[in-house]
Amino acid sequence: DAGITQSPRHKVTETGTPVTLRCHQTENHRYMYWYRQDPGHGLRLIHYSYGVKDTDKGEVSDGYSVSRSKTEDFLLTLESATSSQTSVYFCATGTGGSTDTQYFGPGTRLTVL
Amino acid sequence: GNSVTQMEGPVTLSEEAFLTINCTYTATGYPSLFWYVQYPGEGLQLLLKATKADDKGSNKGFEATYRKETTSFHLEKGSVQVSDSAVYFCALTFTGGGNKLTFGTGTQLKVEL
Repeated sequence: DAGITQSPRHKVTETGTPVTLRCHQTENHRYMYWYRQDPGHGLRLIHYSYGVKDTDKGEVSDGYSVSRSKTEDFLLTLESATSSQTSVYFCATGTGGSTDTQYFGPGTRLTVL
Repeated sequence: GNSVTQMEGPVTLSEEAFLTINCTYTATGYPSLFWYVQYPGEGLQLLLKATKADDKGSNKGFEATYRKETTSFHLEKGSVQVSDSAVYFCALTFTGGGNKLTFGTGTQLKVEL
């Protein structure tokens, strides 16, 4: 399995506060992804990165920003958290090929009160 | 756009029963198709995949065949075990898409003794 860790694993915060979630990988994969998981929606892509400092939007990017300053780290920031961003967030990594496997982290459960 | 439709759960079966979880897709071009599994409290992991029409993916007794004519990728297992209880996600990627996964909503499987 790819070594992917996420921190924190659980977080409770209040509406309007900034939140940063971290994903760290040890597999030297070029691509990294942030998804959110919500009941009735499966997983939806928020943002992804195809290299250091190279990022792009996914289907649900509003209210989120990302940064990747090193191959191994991919940060997801909620600039001003809202209750609609209460979710489970998963980081994934891969080599970027359309037939290739993505490897998922254990997830971060975020609650915005 | 691309989309994946899965049968709704939960699906509850007795141990050793036959399992089918239906998955159909809509996509332009020629997608690759995946089944990912999420055990309680964990991230997703690849179960099996198929990258072209008529390919059969298989793993741990699970099978799925890529049917282009019916745009389907149904998951089957001949005899389920309690340890198969999990949420199963059908997903697709497409060539040139940076391996961005489009997921179905997930199907929860509960296997009872």
